[in-house]
Amino acid sequence: KQEVTQIPAALSVPEGENLVLNCSFTDSAIYNLQWFRQDPGKGLTSLLLIQSSQREQTSGRLNASLDKSSGRSTLYIAASQPGDSATYLCAVPYSSASKIIFGSGTRLSIRP
Amino acid sequence: NAGVTQTPKFQVLKTGQSMTLQCAQDMNHNSMYWYRQDPGMGLRLIYYSASEGTTDKGEVPNGYNVSRLNKREFSLRLESAAPSQTSVYFCASSAFKDTQYFGPGTRLTVL
Repeated sequence: KQEVTQIPAALSVPEGENLVLNCSFTDSAIYNLQWFRQDPGKGLTSLLLIQSSQREQTSGRLNASLDKSSGRSTLYIAASQPGDSATYLCAVPYSSASKIIFGSGTRLSIRP
Repeated sequence: NAGVTQTPKFQVLKTGQSMTLQCAQDMNHNSMYWYRQDPGMGLRLIYYSASEGTTDKGEVPNGYNVSRLNKREFSLRLESAAPSQTSVYFCASSAFKDTQYFGPGTRLTVL
């Protein structure tokens, strides 16, 4: 059974720092991995989707990597800003192409 | 292009009442999903519809029914609401093996 873990559950860093969020999954037979952002009281916004054939994806200050063999993904945020404060969730497919399972998220706080 | 829309945004029910949560998408996606999000439990899949005319159970289907009315619309029904169904409900849609797009959510309280 696929399980997704995100550590730490919460992270607070000063503005301007580069930071890494971690995601691990137990079943490496995945065809993609997604990173989402959720602001308080809002829905989820897709940040990056990495296909299993890719090792990384970049969007602006965000870079996500995928290592299927070790069951890990990281989300790198460069030059963090207070507007990056949110909960970040990763998700991987399980049992069918239509279903994905989410990690519990990392709540990120960027201090001005 | 509104993306994924959900109604209502907020709802308070009494135990035993019924209601239907509505979801619509305008991205021509085949797949649609209903999730609930609870503190400490994360996002859990209730039901999904891989394509028009099909629906399947997710992780926590008990107490819920769904209808894929057409390609655009996917509704979630609570026949007899219970306090344990107090949660935030999210609808999402996606193309096959592609990213999921989420609606803004419905905050439901069952007293």
